Amino acid sequence: SQQGEEDPQALSIQEGENATMNCSYKTSINNLQWYRQNSGRGLVHLILIRSNEREKHSGRLRVTLDTSKKSSSLLITASRAADTASYFCATVLYSGAGSYQLTFGKGTKLSVIP
Amino acid sequence: GAGVSQSPRYKVAKRGQDVALRCDPISGHVSLFWYQQALGQGPEFLTYFQNEAQLDKSGLPSDRFFAERPEGSVSTLKIQRTQQEDSAVYLCASSQQTGELFFGEGSRLTVL
Repeated sequence: SQQGEEDPQALSIQEGENATMNCSYKTSINNLQWYRQNSGRGLVHLILIRSNEREKHSGRLRVTLDTSKKSSSLLITASRAADTASYFCATVLYSGAGSYQLTFGKGTKLSVIP
Repeated sequence: GAGVSQSPRYKVAKRGQDVALRCDPISGHVSLFWYQQALGQGPEFLTYFQNEAQLDKSGLPSDRFFAERPEGSVSTLKIQRTQQEDSAVYLCASSQQTGELFFGEGSRLTVL
């Protein structure tokens, strides 16, 4: 089963515009991560935000986390054609005996038109 | 190696055949995950290892699926008596402990 639910499912923008993707989840988390996947490839880690953090930046990426609403957003500023990919949020929950669960959402497919 | 390596990249199997998918994680990574990804969907958790111990196998869809990591490094995902619904990309990922996951390129399984 998938914990996260990304919104929108698909997003098409012009190069240079900003892209915002949202993720909602259902249970408690220890941290939340965002990944990118180019077509036919593996996933690449973008950014991690801990449950006690509200906002984090990395280059053109800005992530926010609202644990009270169980939601996160990923903002990509000044988008480029190379940003075209699917973006997934993943929630992390540590369980007993050193184990932890990392659960992905269904993803947002971003198309950046040159 | 520099990254997570998976083999084969592509596998076509006839229904009923057994398949084995291999994952070479990044050297020294303690944690290893297997995910199944259907077309257009997000990765679905299958199983998790910490070193050689399989700590969570709750995502394995049936007893036809079996994973092992006997020496705490290379892992193999085995699917017995493959069915058409097993067609998917199988992704392996490793991590140091509880941080970011590093993914391989995946093994695309097609069951005819």
